[in-house]
Amino acid sequence: DGGITQSPKYLFRKEGQNVTLSCEQNLNHDAMYWYRQDPGQGLRLIYYSQIVNDFQKGDIAEGYSVSREKKESFPLTVTSAQKNPTAFYLCASKVTSSNQPQHFGDGTRLSIL
Amino acid sequence: SQQGEEDPQALSIQEGENATMNCSYKTSINNLQWYRQNSGRGLVHLILIRSNEREKHSGRLRVTLDTSKKSSSLLITASRAADTASYFCAGLSGYSTLTFGKGTMLLVSP
Repeated sequence: DGGITQSPKYLFRKEGQNVTLSCEQNLNHDAMYWYRQDPGQGLRLIYYSQIVNDFQKGDIAEGYSVSREKKESFPLTVTSAQKNPTAFYLCASKVTSSNQPQHFGDGTRLSIL
Repeated sequence: SQQGEEDPQALSIQEGENATMNCSYKTSINNLQWYRQNSGRGLVHLILIRSNEREKHSGRLRVTLDTSKKSSSLLITASRAADTASYFCAGLSGYSTLTFGKGTMLLVSP
């Protein structure tokens, strides 16, 4: 089955640590996205990538970093510079045509110890 | 910045009733999309309506788009308990990024 896999489902971070969230897709999609969702809120775009080895900042990129070395993978690192990292993180992918929807993984919930 | 704002924030109905959610957006869009999210899960795409379309149907879903008022509505007919979820609208302004609203929480009671 084709889809998007995010891991781990739950992640705990100590103060001052960097953590990396994994996102893998086997849908052969060119574009991939990372969103942050806070309780009772909509999704806010962190970073996105439309092609391998290229990515752009979204609305709330500060304190986060990404890489896109392979088409299938778009890992997100939450750095110690992100002062309020506790949130639900969602990864998505889509084909490049504008009139196609995004496909989402099941998210990673990050908490600070 | 939030592109879409859903109304109401929360909606509680009985099974068999219709549920209507509204979305307003701020800037011009290429298309508007509706997604559903069950608690603790990712989003699932429901329906996409292009800026040159006024109405679209998919099963029990009906979406309308009024670009002059920058608004859209999602109607779910004959609601079921399994429809309980949060519903988000999202506008595509450029060609690649969506801007999401805060969502409507729908509770359908048996």
